Amino acid sequence: RKEVEQDPGPFNVPEGATVAFNCTYSNSASQSFFWYRQDCRKEPKLLMSVYSSGNEDGRFTAQLNRASQYISLLIRDSKLSDSATYLCVVRTHTGGFKTIFGAGTRLFVKA
Amino acid sequence: DTEVTQTPKHLVMGMTNKKSLKCEQHMGHRAMYWYKQKAKKPPELMFVYSYEKLSINESVPSRFSPECPNSSLLNLHLHALQPEDSALYLCASSQIAGNPKFRVWGNEQFFGPGTRLTVL
Repeated sequence: RKEVEQDPGPFNVPEGATVAFNCTYSNSASQSFFWYRQDCRKEPKLLMSVYSSGNEDGRFTAQLNRASQYISLLIRDSKLSDSATYLCVVRTHTGGFKTIFGAGTRLFVKA
Repeated sequence: DTEVTQTPKHLVMGMTNKKSLKCEQHMGHRAMYWYKQKAKKPPELMFVYSYEKLSINESVPSRFSPECPNSSLLNLHLHALQPEDSALYLCASSQIAGNPKFRVWGNEQFFGPGTRLTVL
């Protein structure tokens, strides 16, 4: 089982749709969680950190469920510019330091 | 200003060449990272520097040699690479790397634009 798993997609949605991504992690000692977006042939850019209480930034909402070991990202009112790959990142701090990226979920938003 | 710069943007080298990748940040971050990313794959961590000291080497072959001359700069020296080393090399920085011994959790990493390396 991979340490961080994401549905690779692609997700094809119309503009204005709401889309949700999930990411599961296997190490219960994981402490820090992030969502990044990566455009084709560009570097990953931090979208948001994920806090235990959940957090929202405009159209984006991130949630953490420690009991079930997953994090989620909800995008409301999708824009064409949201088309990208969304990477789930988990940092584990027990027995060493590890930063693990999920394989990413491709999103295509169409007019 | 969350900016990490990397040079060169593109690099083509032969298997006998020696070259270096450079990364710079002026955000006062004390942790810097090298990642390797192949097409359609997520970034894979190679090295972590914390307070200018190498803290993590993810079993990277010795043909990759990192160097951190000061808190703002990170280099990756390349020698005798193989064609399968062709990839996007990403540098990142964060305020701190984190220390599990002291329960200090690292924080967000900011990435540079990367160097696209082709080994012939």
